Amino acid sequence: DQQVKQNSPSLSVQEGRISILNCDYTNSMFDYFLWYKKYPAEGPTFLISISSIKDKNEDGRFTVFLNKSAKHLSLHIVPSQPGDSAVYFCAASGTGTYKYIFGTGTRLKVLA
Amino acid sequence: DTGVSQDPRHKITKRGQNVTFRCDPISEHNRLYWYRQTLGQGPEFLTYFQNEAQLEKSRLLSDRFSAERPKGSFSTLEIQRTEQGDSAMYLCASSLGGRIDTQYFGPGTRLTVL
Repeated sequence: DQQVKQNSPSLSVQEGRISILNCDYTNSMFDYFLWYKKYPAEGPTFLISISSIKDKNEDGRFTVFLNKSAKHLSLHIVPSQPGDSAVYFCAASGTGTYKYIFGTGTRLKVLA
Repeated sequence: DTGVSQDPRHKITKRGQNVTFRCDPISEHNRLYWYRQTLGQGPEFLTYFQNEAQLEKSRLLSDRFSAERPKGSFSTLEIQRTEQGDSAMYLCASSLGGRIDTQYFGPGTRLTVL
């Protein structure tokens, strides 16, 4: 029962262009979402969050969009840089619990 | 700011042996989490502590797994009678608490059970 899905296992983007990473969820009780970036042999690094009362949150080159009716969120990185090459995970949690359910990740490769 | 640290970074053991991992959270964080990650998957929640109290445990956490956070600071995760299926990356995270509960991860302990 995969409650958080990242259906694209990999994505390649040219340097300077926009990277769009997608995440779908099935549980309508989820109300808080995080994106993490993970390099090999390191733990996940927090990137950006969004709560269900918003539909957009920006932090520098990173923007997360939330479409609650579609149960879909996306992470936009613009402009993409080679150092952004990593595995990106979305994670969701619901009211009453602080555990996060993670997706399976999308491997982003930014080509120089 | 020293971040979340985990020790050891790598552990190789034989099936049937016991192993213990340590996590030191960010000093002012009162919540501490353990996750497990296998190849091609995202981190899976195992358990979490609010200070020294263990408040939630996953069904993934069999009787062979036990976690403690005796003084509300560092935590240990012990696996008894290890099995090959326990081979994974064990991740620890900590957070300040509150509803906006952003979790910060350590580098993980990679366990290989032979």
